[in-house]
Amino acid sequence: EVQLVQSGAEVKKPGESLKISCKGSGYSFTSYWIGWVRQMPGKGLEWMGIIYPGDSDTRYSPSFQGQVTISADKSISTAYLQWSSLKASDTAMYYCAQGATIADFDYWGQGTLVTVSS
Amino acid sequence: SSELTQDPAVSVALGQTVRITCQGDSLRSYYASWYQQKPGQAPVLVIYGKNNRPSGIPDRFSGSSSGNTASLTITGAQAEDEADYYCNSRDSSGNPWVFGGGTKLTVL
Repeated sequence: EVQLVQSGAEVKKPGESLKISCKGSGYSFTSYWIGWVRQMPGKGLEWMGIIYPGDSDTRYSPSFQGQVTISADKSISTAYLQWSSLKASDTAMYYCAQGATIADFDYWGQGTLVTVSS
Repeated sequence: SSELTQDPAVSVALGQTVRITCQGDSLRSYYASWYQQKPGQAPVLVIYGKNNRPSGIPDRFSGSSSGNTASLTITGAQAEDEADYYCNSRDSSGNPWVFGGGTKLTVL
């Protein structure tokens, strides 16, 4: 059974750094894309970026380029999304998703709620 | 344009057929994927490619495309189909960055 298990909710202050994770199981981690999607409170879905763990091909949505870093550790089948300096506007639910192609993501994590508040 | 436009809200009577549409220039080159999201839950892929359903998605869900418009059709809508539906396609570089704003489907 394919599963994506994300790390738990985070409460951080503006300016702090953060790295959240997404652990894949039940499939070949290096053979599928992992994507990250933001959903701000009461709003729609936004692609942030994608990574192919097999060769570390990483692509960022223009809206998020330079704002976050996406990485993956093949040895532990885990993808990451990180910020170096959080802003209040980063408060959102973040989902990871797995796809055989970059167009179709058919398994999703449960989401990680990130709250940034002073 | 890298945008996809959806109607904010659509309603359908129980058991009737509803079409949710998505418009954008990228749809002239790429198929749309459709995601269903219920409150408090992660999105679920319901249609991808020309008209493909992932395993476990009921066959009352279907997809189609013409010109710059993609459509998700639910034939015989059920109460459990009440959700937000998002279309997704690629930008000019082939990356999946383009989401529609979402359509809230109400089943009456």
